[in-house]
Amino acid sequence: DAKTTQPPSMDCAEGRAANLPCNHSTISGNEYVYWYRQIHSQGPQYIIHGLKNNETNEMASLIITEDRKSSTLILPHATLRDTAVYYCIVRAPRSGNTGKLIFGQGTTLQVKP
Amino acid sequence: DAMVIQNPRYQVTQFGKPVTLSCSQTLNHNVMYWYQQKSSQAPKLLFHYYDKDFNNEADTPDNFQSRRPNTSFCFLDIRSPGLGDAAMYLCATSRADGYSNQPQHFGDGTRLSIL
Repeated sequence: DAKTTQPPSMDCAEGRAANLPCNHSTISGNEYVYWYRQIHSQGPQYIIHGLKNNETNEMASLIITEDRKSSTLILPHATLRDTAVYYCIVRAPRSGNTGKLIFGQGTTLQVKP
Repeated sequence: DAMVIQNPRYQVTQFGKPVTLSCSQTLNHNVMYWYQQKSSQAPKLLFHYYDKDFNNEADTPDNFQSRRPNTSFCFLDIRSPGLGDAAMYLCATSRADGYSNQPQHFGDGTRLSIL
């Protein structure tokens, strides 16, 4: 699975959009981009995933560049409860996939009042 | 409506005393995973069950073992805990089929302390 690079930390003002970048320049054609977050003292929480089209759900939007070498997770209106470590993970589905996740160090997002 | 439940949330054991952590799920997922997360580090996979088939990661110490008596339950056994095994242990589940990109669902973990 391709390696990802994320900034170690970011700040965002409450109510503003949080844009979290991820670089995955070695991604291959069948690898998906997944985003998880981990709020302090809780387990990781799945946010969203995509292959090449932009995706949106009730939590966030995922923008993947046309060459798929990078992506951005967008939290449209950040709240204090969005303060967490955000992990960008690239993973390929396989036949009989058991899909282990290889976590990098992630981005610590601090939402400030 | 918790879907992946880990008990207990906090566990204290003595150095060298065997300990078992438990995980249950209501999602009927066929894959269950155990991750170890040490302080200020990212989670790291220890092993997983695909249905009844056990899959160990190459660098998981022999001290760690697992049991899955049925679809809903999975246990992590640490035979002789050392101080370095103090960590958060995370259970996760997913549904895997022939060509799956399904996400994993995590429990809130068990924080293990070693005295």
